[in-house]
Amino acid sequence: DVKVTQSSRYLVKRTGEKVFLECVQDMDHENMFWYRQDPGLGLRLIYFSYDVKMKEKGDIPEGYSVSREKKERFSLILESASTNQTSMYLCASSGGINQPQHFGDGTRLSIL
Amino acid sequence: SQKIEQNSEALNIQEGKTATLTCNYTNYSPAYLQWYRQDPGRGPVFLLLIRENEKEKRKERLKVTFDTTLKQSLFHITASQPADSATYLCALDEMDSSYKLIFGSGTRLLVRP
Repeated sequence: DVKVTQSSRYLVKRTGEKVFLECVQDMDHENMFWYRQDPGLGLRLIYFSYDVKMKEKGDIPEGYSVSREKKERFSLILESASTNQTSMYLCASSGGINQPQHFGDGTRLSIL
Repeated sequence: SQKIEQNSEALNIQEGKTATLTCNYTNYSPAYLQWYRQDPGRGPVFLLLIRENEKEKRKERLKVTFDTTLKQSLFHITASQPADSATYLCALDEMDSSYKLIFGSGTRLLVRP
């Protein structure tokens, strides 16, 4: 079974801090994704990566950046955290086009 | 742009009955459509994928249909159980990128014992 592991289940940070969310997958998948999920808004794509060192903006990239130095690891960075970035963050990976996405259990991030 | 509509009201049914959830989309017909299950505090889990040239797909007690004329997919759970209670999300591929999915907001299913 594919396993996608997110580094923290819960995280509390302060406004203005630089925040790192880490995600690791163990299935050698090429594609990795970062979403945020808010009540009533569903899952919204922040960034995705289709190869090492490659990245593309999703629907809501503002205030975020990503890093993919190794195939199995995809990091989401909040450059200067703000309260409107309080949310559930979900990482996913997939094996290619038309393939299902496999999700981690999410990081519930609170920015105070 | 593509929009996905899933009933935001919870579906409340009696154990043993068939649950039917609806996913409507508004614009282009996707090459494929996926259904996921999400439990509270957990990430979505993939259930089924159906392609545009498939009318129906089954997996154990689950059945998905895909009607490109109606721009609709139906997700059925037969002989429902309380353990089936969860939120169910549908997702479509994006027109300009087969890597990316657009997710609906999901419908919560409650199965009463």
